[in-house]
Order: sequence, then structure tokens, then C-alpha cells
Amino acid sequence: GAVVSQHPSRVICKSGTSVKIECRSLDFQATTMFWYRQFPKQSLMLMATSNEGSKATYEQGVEKDKFLINHASLTLSTLTVTSAHPEDSSFYICSASLPGISYEQYFGPGTRLTVT
Amino acid sequence: AQSVTQLDSQVPVFEEAPVELRCNYSSSVSVYLFWYVQYPNQGLQLLLKYLSGSTLVKGINGFEAEFNKSQTSFHLRKPSVHISDTAEYFCAVITRGGTALIFGKGTTLSVSS
Repeated sequence: GAVVSQHPSRVICKSGTSVKIECRSLDFQATTMFWYRQFPKQSLMLMATSNEGSKATYEQGVEKDKFLINHASLTLSTLTVTSAHPEDSSFYICSASLPGISYEQYFGPGTRLTVT
Repeated sequence: AQSVTQLDSQVPVFEEAPVELRCNYSSSVSVYLFWYVQYPNQGLQLLLKYLSGSTLVKGINGFEAEFNKSQTSFHLRKPSVHISDTAEYFCAVITRGGTALIFGKGTTLSVSS
């Protein structure tokens, strides 16, 4: 149980375009989902925390207008990278926590974004 | 604020040898502790966690870790590694009642024959 999926697994887009990444909890309802960014050979950096039905909470230094997060249902959160630039190329990973057990997160397989 | 230090960025070992990956944390409040494994181009998989109780916790794939409150450490161990254990390992903490996982920088475990 507690499976999280991400789509797409890999995406290549041109500079200036927008790309949407989906994160789904497949067998549980996730009131809270998290978005992380991972640079090569580095750790995960939390970008934002999203709660179903409310605005996401962004970490310091993360541009909320560039990284749009929507958590419209208990099983789906989306991250849209707007006006992408090559420096946005990265590995994006989402996670979800079970209701009432916020400390235990289940991670998706990640999305490799390459902006050309 | 909490922080996590993984003391070794890379650990090369031979197959069937024991291994220890070190993790220290700092926090002014009680925390929960986790070890995750990441295979290339994949997400994170939970190896084990310490929430409370026995300080020695056993996880998947034969790994175990010991919580040492006085040393603020949570080192990961395996008595005999396999080639398939080659991966990136992350230690993480979260405060009790918190939601944000704080990760260490990771340790690359390379197992060779």
C-alpha cells in the first residue's frame, strides 16, 4: 500500500514553455503532498507543501509564480513549471503523507525535466 | 532549526563486507529519524524509521540502525552487503508534530566484487 505515482517520468521542453507534472496517491487519500527538487549528486530540497483545497506553502527562495502547485483533490497534486529555463532542469520528486501521520512520507518515482 | 549531517559522501566496500553509513543530527526538540535509499533515476524508498521505543530498528534488505540520543546519531548498518545495495542513501529527520523532512546530503554506497 501507500503507492505514489508521478507522470511523466521524463520530459523535455523548450525554453519559455510550461510543463506540468502530476503526482498521484494511488491507494490512499493524501491530505498533504510535498514537492522536492534534486540536483545531480545532491540531496532533496523541499520546494513546497500542499494541502488539499488550500494554497501551497512555499519554502524560502522558491518562486511561487514560477512553480505553480495545485492540490485539487485528495489524490492529485500538480506542479507546473512556467516559462521554463535551462536552469530549471532537475529531478522533481513528490511525496504524500497519510492523513494524521504527517511525519511518514511516501515518495513518487520522480520526474526528470530537461529544458533545452 | 534541525539539520542532518551525513559524514561520508562516498563509501566503497567489497561484496559481503559489513558497512556503516553515519548520520548525525541536531535539533532542540524531539525528532523522528529515517533512512531512505535511492536507486539511479528513481524516487526514495523507506529503509527504516525510528519513532520511539527500542533504539535498534530493523528495516528492509537486512539494514538496521541505532538511535543514540546522547550522540545525536542514527547510523545505518548492514553486516554483509550485496552488489545490489549500490545506491544513494539519505538520512532524514522531522520534528514531532512537524511536516517538513530535512535530508542529509546523502552517502553513495558502492559495492564491488
